[in-house]
Amino acid sequence: GAGVSQSPSNKVTEKGKDVELRCDPISGHTALYWYRQSLGQGLEFLIYFQGNSAPDKSGLPSDRFSAERTGGSVSTLTIQRTQQEDSAVYLCASSPSQETQYFGPGTRLLVL
Amino acid sequence: ILNVEQSPQSLHVQEGDSTNFTCSFPSSNFYALHWYRWETAKSPEALFVMTLNGDEKKKGRISATLNTKEGYSYLYIKGSQPEDSATYLCARDTGRRALTFGSGTRLQVQP
Repeated sequence: GAGVSQSPSNKVTEKGKDVELRCDPISGHTALYWYRQSLGQGLEFLIYFQGNSAPDKSGLPSDRFSAERTGGSVSTLTIQRTQQEDSAVYLCASSPSQETQYFGPGTRLLVL
Repeated sequence: ILNVEQSPQSLHVQEGDSTNFTCSFPSSNFYALHWYRWETAKSPEALFVMTLNGDEKKKGRISATLNTKEGYSYLYIKGSQPEDSATYLCARDTGRRALTFGSGTRLQVQP
C-alpha cells in the first residue's frame, strides 16, 4: 500500500518568507509526527498528533513554527519568517498505534 | 548517559565482513528502543522495535539485542553486502511517543 508522502520534496526560500510543508500519512494511522534533521545533527522531534487529542508541541523550536492536522489525516507544518538555521530535512511519520513509526521521504528546506 | 549515543560514527567494511554498532541510552523511563535504516534519498526504514530486557530480534542478516538495565543495544550485520550501506539510527521511546534519536552510524560496504 501507499506509504507516507510529503511535499514538496525540495524547497528553496529566502530568509523572512513563510513556508508550508505537507504530509499525507498512511491511511488509517491515527498518530502523526514531525521531525527534522539539521546538518550534522540527529533527528529532532517537533510535534505529535494523536487522534483528536491536543497535539504535543513540546519540540517546536520557536513560535514561528506551527502545525495542524485537518480531519485526522493530512498535516501541514508552517514556518513563518524563515531563518537560515531553519534549513534542514523535515520528516513526517505516522503510526497505527503505539508501535513503529513509518517515515516519509522528507522535505529538504534551504533558506538562503 | 543523558542522551542517546551511537558508536562508531562511521564504519567502512569489505563485502562479506560482519559488523556491529552500539546504541547507548538512559535506562530510566524506558518503554522501547527503535532501530531504523536510512539510505540516502529514501525514507528511514523501521528495522526493529525492542521492548524487553534481553530481547533479541532478527531480520535476515541483521539482528539486535537489548539490555535495558544498563542502557544499551547492539545491532549486528552478518556478511555485509553493498546494499547494506546506509545510516543506522537508534531511538529511545519513553512511551510519550516523541522518539529521541541518536546521531547514527554511517556504514559503507565496499564491494
